[in-house]
Amino acid sequence: GENVEQHPSTLSVQEGDSAVIKCTYSDSASNYFPWYKQELGKGPQLIIDIRSNVGEKKDQRIAVTLNKTAKHFSLHITETQPEDSAVYFCAASPFSSNTGKLIFGQGTTLQVKP
Amino acid sequence: KAGVTQTPRYLIKTRGQQVTLSCSPISGHRSVSWYQQTPGQGLQFLFEYFSETQRNKGNFPGRFSGRQFSNSRSEMNVSTLELGDSALYLCASSLGQGYEKLFFGSGTQLSVL
Repeated sequence: GENVEQHPSTLSVQEGDSAVIKCTYSDSASNYFPWYKQELGKGPQLIIDIRSNVGEKKDQRIAVTLNKTAKHFSLHITETQPEDSAVYFCAASPFSSNTGKLIFGQGTTLQVKP
Repeated sequence: KAGVTQTPRYLIKTRGQQVTLSCSPISGHRSVSWYQQTPGQGLQFLFEYFSETQRNKGNFPGRFSGRQFSNSRSEMNVSTLELGDSALYLCASSLGQGYEKLFFGSGTQLSVL
């Protein structure tokens, strides 16, 4: 069935270090992969997204890479800052069933220590 | 531009009752999706509406229903509440396709006692 697995579930880094979160998806026809950041008491906020016809996308300190063959994609945050501390979710659109919905990973709690 | 607004912010209900949650999307957004968020199951898709029509529905029982009005505002209803319905219910709006560039509200935290 449709599934997105996300690792690690928790990640602690020192300020200034890089953080990497990885996800794998099951539906090979998925064509859209967003990443969301959720802070306490708020809804998820889109931070970056990538389509299946692109291998990498970068926005300042944030980058996403996609490997369609292996069906996995990763979020890279460089020069982490305390305000990057939050829960991060990856997601994939299960296009094969044309449901128009997103399948989310279980989330990664990122802690950036000052 | 105002973001997605969900009301109420918190709700406490008892088993067997019903509840209605409201969502006002970003101005100009015609697609509204609803998600349930729990610590155990994570974020799960409930349904999506576009121009007052339900385009997609997730794997939830018929007790969960929704609708969208002509001004794109949306409501979801849960009847015969169960303890397991306790969750954060999130509404998201987008311009077109129901899964691209979603803008989420802060959610309604529902507690069923």
